[in-house]
Amino acid sequence: QVTLKESGPVLVKPTETLTLTCTVSGFSLSNARMGVSWIRQPPGKALEWLAHIFSNDEKSYSTSLKSRLTISKDTSKSQVVLTMTNMDPVDTATYYCARISADWFDPWGQGTLVTVSS
Amino acid sequence: DIQMTQSPSSLSASVGDRVTITCRASQSISSYLNWYQQKPGKAPKLLIYAASSLQSGVPSRFSGSGSGTDFTLTISSLQPEDFATYYCQQSYSTVTFGPGTKVDIK
Repeated sequence: QVTLKESGPVLVKPTETLTLTCTVSGFSLSNARMGVSWIRQPPGKALEWLAHIFSNDEKSYSTSLKSRLTISKDTSKSQVVLTMTNMDPVDTATYYCARISADWFDPWGQGTLVTVSS
Repeated sequence: DIQMTQSPSSLSASVGDRVTITCRASQSISSYLNWYQQKPGKAPKLLIYAASSLQSGVPSRFSGSGSGTDFTLTISSLQPEDFATYYCQQSYSTVTFGPGTKVDIK
């Protein structure tokens, strides 16, 4: 069974850096054509794709957030890490990680709500 | 970046109704279009991939069609568990999600 689980701080202060970890099970981050994406959803709003990383270490970032994001993976730990710098209250959202299988996301983690507030 | 629009943004329907949701891309995306269902407080769930392929375990009342810029998600007979928000997503060029369509009870 494939599962993903997000972990990280519940609350961050403005200007701080957010670090989120996605721990996967049921598949390997070294599997060909597989990867993990980060996607967020502000309360009551739509989904927004942030970044993804593939087994060959190919990375891609949202154009609008590229300067603030870094994605990396530790295959031995089955973890994908996303950092987002200079957090702002508008970054308050539920952050999801999801497996990329070919060109779609399945399955998704349960999500973790991050609130940005002083 | 490719922009995605959905219509309607919300709709009210009754159990048993046929429901159609439209998704449009700002440029051709071939068949690189996926549909997700999201219920309140839950993560999205993949319904349809590559425009028309039904994900394993998803009821056959869900279907997808289209290619190029115009796509449709159809629920042939709405069931109580189908009341949710539906998102389209393109994967032709990086990733973009549509704004969502909320389906609620009439």
